[in-house]
Amino acid sequence: DAKTTQPNSMESNEEEPVHLPCNHSTISGTDYIHWYRQLPSQGPEYVIHGLTSNVNNRMASLAIAEDRKSSTLILHRATLRDAAVYYCILAPFQGAQKLVFGQGTRLTINP
Amino acid sequence: ETGVTQSPTHLIKTRGQQVTLRCSSQSGHNTVSWYQQALGQGPQFIFQYYREEENGRGNFPPRFSGLQFPNYSSELNVNALELDDSALYLCASSPARQGVRNTEAFFGQGTRLTVV
Repeated sequence: DAKTTQPNSMESNEEEPVHLPCNHSTISGTDYIHWYRQLPSQGPEYVIHGLTSNVNNRMASLAIAEDRKSSTLILHRATLRDAAVYYCILAPFQGAQKLVFGQGTRLTINP
Repeated sequence: ETGVTQSPTHLIKTRGQQVTLRCSSQSGHNTVSWYQQALGQGPQFIFQYYREEENGRGNFPPRFSGLQFPNYSSELNVNALELDDSALYLCASSPARQGVRNTEAFFGQGTRLTVV
């Protein structure tokens, strides 16, 4: 399984943008990049995913490097409810949803 | 549209016993996956079911087994419980849409299993 590398923790302030980085240098051509987050005492929650182009949805934006060896999850205006562990995951095109979670990045939001 | 529901929410079992955990997938989802999350760790993939057949398995021993029913709900069974099986067990469902292989997964709140 292709691996991802994320910082263990990050901290930001409420109402400021947050950029969460992820390195995936061994990504294959057909791996999708998924982001999930897990709030305390809850199951993981899907945030966004993409293949090559940058993606936007109501929760966040995903910026994918041209060589696809790294990506950045962007929360445009963080709120206290965004405090969670964020996981960057590579999911192969073939076969559904065997998600290989790493340690993730614990995001703290300061009021 | 109801989400993924798991039961029970908490469970305490004794080492050596057997346990069955249940999951109702989100309406319209025919793929169910199970994950184990130890304290402070990311979830680890156990196995996946697609239309009642096992469709992939992680690095877990055979005493972890599962079932998927015609209505796509699922069970996770663990035999001969060990202390290290204490964890949060998560169920995730996803739709298998024609021509779209890579879709998001929807997770339940999990079952917290404690083995004593």
